[in-house]
Amino acid sequence: EAGVAQSPRYKIIEKRQSVAFWCNPISGHATLYWYQQILGQGPKLLIQFQNNGVVDDSQLPKDRFSAERLKGVDSTLKIQPAKLEDSAVYLCASSHIGTFLAKNIQYFGAGTRLSVL
Amino acid sequence: GESVGLHLPTLSVQEGDNSIINCAYSNSASDYFIWYKQESGKGPQFIIDIRSNMDKRQGQRVTVLLNKTVKHLSLQIAATQPGDSAVYFCAALAPNAGGTSYGKLTFGQGTILTVHP
Repeated sequence: EAGVAQSPRYKIIEKRQSVAFWCNPISGHATLYWYQQILGQGPKLLIQFQNNGVVDDSQLPKDRFSAERLKGVDSTLKIQPAKLEDSAVYLCASSHIGTFLAKNIQYFGAGTRLSVL
Repeated sequence: GESVGLHLPTLSVQEGDNSIINCAYSNSASDYFIWYKQESGKGPQFIIDIRSNMDKRQGQRVTVLLNKTVKHLSLQIAATQPGDSAVYFCAALAPNAGGTSYGKLTFGQGTILTVHP
């Protein structure tokens, strides 16, 4: 099966500019996740969608980050305005189901590497 | 909150040796654990998982051990090969804050495994 697709692979912007990332999950996966991975660290969950509803966005900096999954398939993550500390790899992942009691194997895309100058 | 950490940030082994990567987690409510492998420029790739009602699970050349008493798990790689060189992350699934039925995966910092020919 096709994996999680993300674009672009790389993005360089100046601080205070805006940027958007796109993700297409594995077909049939109801749960979609956006993670931020700072160099040398493990991925940190930003937001989790179940179909087109938000399940967890407790770690999303909502003053500058936004995400949507309008039709329950593709998703976009936006940063506006970007700060230097937003430089990271933004990973999208998907899974069949996101409930705690189920096996929750998340499959990851290759990520978008963002550099904010 | 949950924290998942690794005892050793780097591990260097010779080809053919066995590798052991350790991980500690803090949230006793964690019920499901996953090991991921991340190669440079790629997203994390699923290796093996284990539920909290098990203490050992074996895959192809990999074994995961779970000690719930001390909140510790390890990944053993048999006959390590140069292609195993990557960053290895453990991740623990615990209930989302907010008491929903959804699970949140928390990643550790990662261990860099280098395999010398």
